[in-house]
Amino acid sequence: RKEVEQDPGPFNVPEGATVAFNCTYSNSASQSFFWYRQDCRKEPKLLMSVYSSGNEDGRFTAQLNRASQYISLLIRDSKLSDSATYLCVVNTGDSWGKLQFGAGTQVVVTP
Amino acid sequence: SAVISQKPSRDICQRGTSLTIQCQVDSQVTMMFWYRQQPGQSLTLIATANQGSEATYESGFVIDKFPISRPNLTFSTLTVSNMSPEDSSIYLCSVEGAGPKTYNEQFFGPGTRLTVL
Repeated sequence: RKEVEQDPGPFNVPEGATVAFNCTYSNSASQSFFWYRQDCRKEPKLLMSVYSSGNEDGRFTAQLNRASQYISLLIRDSKLSDSATYLCVVNTGDSWGKLQFGAGTQVVVTP
Repeated sequence: SAVISQKPSRDICQRGTSLTIQCQVDSQVTMMFWYRQQPGQSLTLIATANQGSEATYESGFVIDKFPISRPNLTFSTLTVSNMSPEDSSIYLCSVEGAGPKTYNEQFFGPGTRLTVL
């Protein structure tokens, strides 16, 4: 079983619609959770950290469910520029911050 | 977040040769990380590089194949030795940031796209 699992998609989303997807993680000791965005042939860029209470950054909302060991990302009012691969990233619980990356969920926003 | 640069940005190499990738950060950082991203896949951690100590390698990666240097707090190199086509990949370095509420956020350099013929 992979340590971080994501639906690879693609999620085809009409412009202006809402899309949401989850990521499950296997290590119950994980303490830090992130969503990264990766555009084609570019490096991953931090989209947002995921806090225990959930957090929102503009059109993006992240939630953490420790009991079920998943995190979610919701994108409202999708823009064409939101088309990318979204990587779920979880730390392993080691003190020095080793991260595990999911394989990514591809989102394609269409006009 | 830190500004991270990598050299070269891309290279095409012959099998059996070696390539050294440089990673430069604009601020002092304790830990630097080297990742590999093979085509169509996610990132895999190769090793963690701390200044003044040996790098810590992940399972499946060995120092003879991927020697790492960390001479100071702003610079590191990764060498891909005795390359084969299977080493064709994007190699990325990253550093930890200092998030306001959490820790372990990492920021990535632009990557080095390596093709081995």
